[in-house]
Amino acid sequence: EAGVAQSPRYKIIEKRQSVAFWCNPISGHATLYWYQQILGQGPKLLIQFQNNGVVDDSQLPKDRFSAERLKGVDSTLKIQPAKLEDSAVYLCASSRGGGRFIRNTEAFFGQGTRLTVV
Amino acid sequence: RKEVEQDPGPFNVPEGATVAFNCTYSNSASQSFFWYRQDCRKEPKLLMSVYSSGNEDGRFTAQLNRASQYISLLIRDSKLSDSATYLCAVNNEDSNYQLIWGAGTKLIIKP
Repeated sequence: EAGVAQSPRYKIIEKRQSVAFWCNPISGHATLYWYQQILGQGPKLLIQFQNNGVVDDSQLPKDRFSAERLKGVDSTLKIQPAKLEDSAVYLCASSRGGGRFIRNTEAFFGQGTRLTVV
Repeated sequence: RKEVEQDPGPFNVPEGATVAFNCTYSNSASQSFFWYRQDCRKEPKLLMSVYSSGNEDGRFTAQLNRASQYISLLIRDSKLSDSATYLCAVNNEDSNYQLIWGAGTKLIIKP
């Protein structure tokens, strides 16, 4: 089965510019996550979707970050305006959803987008 | 105290040796447990889901100790290719099954 697709792989922007990332999850996966990962740290959840609804966006800096998953399939994450501290890898992951069984919550990651803000 | 803690390492281990590391979690209601492997500049990849009875996959064995609230990963006959960062993750129903991550343990296998 095809994995999680993300684009672009790399992005360099100047501070105060905007940027958007795209993610297409594994087919049939209801849950989609966006993570931010800084070198030497574990992934930090930004937002979790279940189908096209937001489950948790408590750690999303909403003054500059936004995300949507309008049709319950692919998703976009946007940063506007970007700050230097937004330099990180942005990872998208998906899982089947329906948390009762461990297999439903196994998360599979895309290759990530490495963002550099200069 | 962090919800999920790991020794950052690095663990420097000679090829062929056995190495083990633990991951402790603070929420006793945690339900599901996972080990992921992350190579340098790559995404995390699921290594093993950790079942209550423990599970083994080739040279890798994962165990869950609910009483002491930790999971472990044992790697036997380590290979150079096992060098990576090993991340643990846990979830629970109260947090909508989102994964809570440790910061990872770096493993370096030396020839």
